Amino acid sequence: GAGVSQTPSNKVTEKGKYVELRCDPISGHTALYWYRQSLGQGPEFLIYFQGTGAADDSGLPNDRFFAVRPEGSVSTLKIQRTERGDSAVYLCASKTEAGGYNEQFFGPGTRLTVL
Amino acid sequence: SQKIEQNSEALNIQEGKTATLTCNYTNYSPAYLQWYRQDPGRGPVFLLLIRENEKEKRKERLKVTFDTTLKQSLFHITASQPADSATYLCALVSSGNTGKLIFGQGTTLQVKP
Repeated sequence: GAGVSQTPSNKVTEKGKYVELRCDPISGHTALYWYRQSLGQGPEFLIYFQGTGAADDSGLPNDRFFAVRPEGSVSTLKIQRTERGDSAVYLCASKTEAGGYNEQFFGPGTRLTVL
Repeated sequence: SQKIEQNSEALNIQEGKTATLTCNYTNYSPAYLQWYRQDPGRGPVFLLLIRENEKEKRKERLKVTFDTTLKQSLFHITASQPADSATYLCALVSSGNTGKLIFGQGTTLQVKP
């Protein structure tokens, strides 16, 4: 079956530009997470969606970052006025139920490079 | 704040030997701990979950231990193979109802033939 997909796989942008990163979770998964992974580090939590609503956005670094999931399926992470420090791999994960401890299914990530 | 640490140095072992990776955590008492495998250019893949009341969990050649007194988990791969070469991530399941994960920085394992 289809796993979590993310587009684009790579994104190169200039400092100050706006970018959108898309995540298609596994069909039927109600919980969706965004993480950010810098080189040599583990993924770092950004935001969690339970259905359509952002149930926990405590990991978003500042107000330049925003994410939506309008129909409870596809999610878009939006970054305004990008900075060089935003360069990282952005990972999306989904799982069958909200909360809990069951495994998360990760996409391949979007590698964002801000020049 | 909750902190989770893995040995950042790469682990190099010979094929057929047992690889042991360490995960230590502080300022937290997780009920669950997960281990993931990550290959270059790919997202993490779930391997094992262990609960706080479980001392040990096994899956094929993998074994995980969870010592809540030492605040440590050990991850073992027996009879290691070159295909086991990857980065292994330890993750705490955060308290509350979100299920969000707090990851260590990962340990890279290289198995030489």
